[in-house]
Amino acid sequence: AQSVTQPDIHITVSEGASLELRCNYSYGATPYLFWYVQSPGQGLQLLLKYFSGDTLVQGIKGFEAEFKRSQSSFNLRKPSVHWSDAAEYFCAVGAGNNNDMRFGAGTRLTVKP
Amino acid sequence: NAGVTQTPKFQVLKTGQSMTLQCAQDMNHNSMYWYRQDPGMGLRLIYYSASEGTTDKGEVPNGYNVSRLNKREFSLRLESAAPSQTSVYFCASSEYLSGDYGYTFGSGTRLTVV
Repeated sequence: AQSVTQPDIHITVSEGASLELRCNYSYGATPYLFWYVQSPGQGLQLLLKYFSGDTLVQGIKGFEAEFKRSQSSFNLRKPSVHWSDAAEYFCAVGAGNNNDMRFGAGTRLTVKP
Repeated sequence: NAGVTQTPKFQVLKTGQSMTLQCAQDMNHNSMYWYRQDPGMGLRLIYYSASEGTTDKGEVPNGYNVSRLNKREFSLRLESAAPSQTSVYFCASSEYLSGDYGYTFGSGTRLTVV
């Protein structure tokens, strides 16, 4: 079965600084990759997704992610972080039938003023 | 507003009690899911329903049962609650047949078993 590793449990960045959250996946076929964000006490919101085509995908709230097959990675980036970006971020990988999506353990982002 | 609605939002149970978590979606999605979220473990799939009338086990199904009542509703039942089932439970839906693939999540049910 597919699996996801998010190596960083907690990251702190200053407001206005750039951000990169790491995600590595394991899956034998072409993966369906997702990033979700969860604000405290809320459900998960889809930021962006990758199925095929251009390996650099744009999402909501100014986020982007790059799929690198050779590194089995799908890292999330943002050029300039805002205080409202403080949340927990989850990377997920799905199989083609979309019925068994596996999530990473999450990375909690803290934004310093 | 369109989306996934979960009830209740909070619940405290005593060990051995039973309860049903309710989930309804109004997006006409075929697939629905139940996840549990525990600190440091991300979300783990309990059960899913690929379409009305079908249900299948996920990663952690033990101690749970589900019912896909109709296309809109997918409930999760704890027959005899245990402290290990203290968690936040999320329902989600998707429509992969349309090529969308992304999940829409409810706001969660925080369950404490004492």
